[in-house]
Amino acid sequence: SAVISQKPSRDICQRGTSLTIQCQVDSQVTMMFWYRQQPGQSLTLIATANQGSEATYESGFVIDKFPISRPNLTFSTLTVSNMSPEDSSIYLCSADTRGQGAETQYFGPGTRLLVL
Amino acid sequence: GENVEQHPSTLSVQEGDSAVIKCTYSDSASNYFPWYKQELGKGPQLIIDIRSNVGEKKDQRIAVTLNKTAKHFSLHITETQPEDSAVYFCAASLGTGGFKTIFGAGTRLFVKA
Repeated sequence: SAVISQKPSRDICQRGTSLTIQCQVDSQVTMMFWYRQQPGQSLTLIATANQGSEATYESGFVIDKFPISRPNLTFSTLTVSNMSPEDSSIYLCSADTRGQGAETQYFGPGTRLLVL
Repeated sequence: GENVEQHPSTLSVQEGDSAVIKCTYSDSASNYFPWYKQELGKGPQLIIDIRSNVGEKKDQRIAVTLNKTAKHFSLHITETQPEDSAVYFCAASLGTGGFKTIFGAGTRLFVKA
């Protein structure tokens, strides 16, 4: 299994500012993902964070708005740039253990973001 | 691309009764089907998963069944307890290659004591 931690757990930010969310996994993992979850809704994939290369973004999400870093096999960051109230959401980091005996995806506790 | 539909959106049961959540998927190539439980204020937790070479899997009070022909899979919770109250998500993925997981819309389960 994989244990995932995220920082910060929650934040209140002003419109126009940026927030960087950190994600740490307790073991090396091949793939890491970033999701957004609106209150009461399902999970929407923002991007796949690839180690050593640029992230792969899903339709509707762009690198300028959500830059992602993946410097090694246990860590990733997601930045929410130039925030607006529409960015208020829960941001979830996820990692999968493919190649390590099982193709299983685990999630962090989430970062609850409120933009005023 | 893959599409996962989940029903019901809300389910209320009496403590001790069984709860069943059903999902259908569209991509016949999908071969990995996890279920997640999300409690209020927490991230989704994997509770059980099933792969396409298996028709049923059980872990204590929870079980999952898969019908590949009909492209549907179900979560069964027996002897429900108040702590089972949460939102449950089904998902489907190819399991290899791009490994993109598609999630259902979620089912909010209420277990009444």
